Amino acid sequence: GQQLNQSPQSMFIQEGEDVSMNCTSSSIFNTWLWYKQDPGEGPVLLIALYKAGELTSNGRLTAQFGITRKDSFLNISASIPSDVGIYFCALHLGNQFYFGTGTSLTVIP
Amino acid sequence: NAGVTQTPKFQVLKTGQSMTLQCAQDMNHEYMSWYRQDPGMGLRLIHYSVGAGITDQGEVPNGYNVSRSTTEDFPLRLLSAAPSQTSVYFCASSPGSTSYGYTFGSGTRLTVV
Repeated sequence: GQQLNQSPQSMFIQEGEDVSMNCTSSSIFNTWLWYKQDPGEGPVLLIALYKAGELTSNGRLTAQFGITRKDSFLNISASIPSDVGIYFCALHLGNQFYFGTGTSLTVIP
Repeated sequence: NAGVTQTPKFQVLKTGQSMTLQCAQDMNHEYMSWYRQDPGMGLRLIHYSVGAGITDQGEVPNGYNVSRSTTEDFPLRLLSAAPSQTSVYFCASSPGSTSYGYTFGSGTRLTVV
């Protein structure tokens, strides 16, 4: 499978702080996806990116498709307790989606 | 609109037993996949299907079988359960265009003792 490196592995932040996480791949891809998984649930799609340099927002979430097409970033502004969960990046190759190992986010009230 | 439905939600098996994890979607999606999630490993693809009658292997297919006789259903079979198959299993579906990503079920937590 493709090598997808996601960092950081975990984050503990105070409510109200901004969060940044990233994902890098070993190859060039055309689609980056960001998912969030709430405890005990399946992942839910947050943002999809389709071209290099693209910057897309979804409420307090902003994601960018890196210029090199080998990386992507997800930022969360003004974190709130319900942001807790695991965030996954994913990319598409052929008929498959490959997922990163996830960033576990804990928000301390 | 149920989306992707997985059953059961929890299951305990003894080593060597067989079972089938059920997955059904009501969105008329062509693509369906099975993933397993283990701590620190992310989501790893087991098998996938791009339409009824068509299946293929993912990253970790050993010990699992699938079939896709209808668009709606994509069951995952464990032929002889092993402790290494203790995991959370997710079924997912997509309309067929990769741009939409996957819609996931809520998962089946399997323990093999």
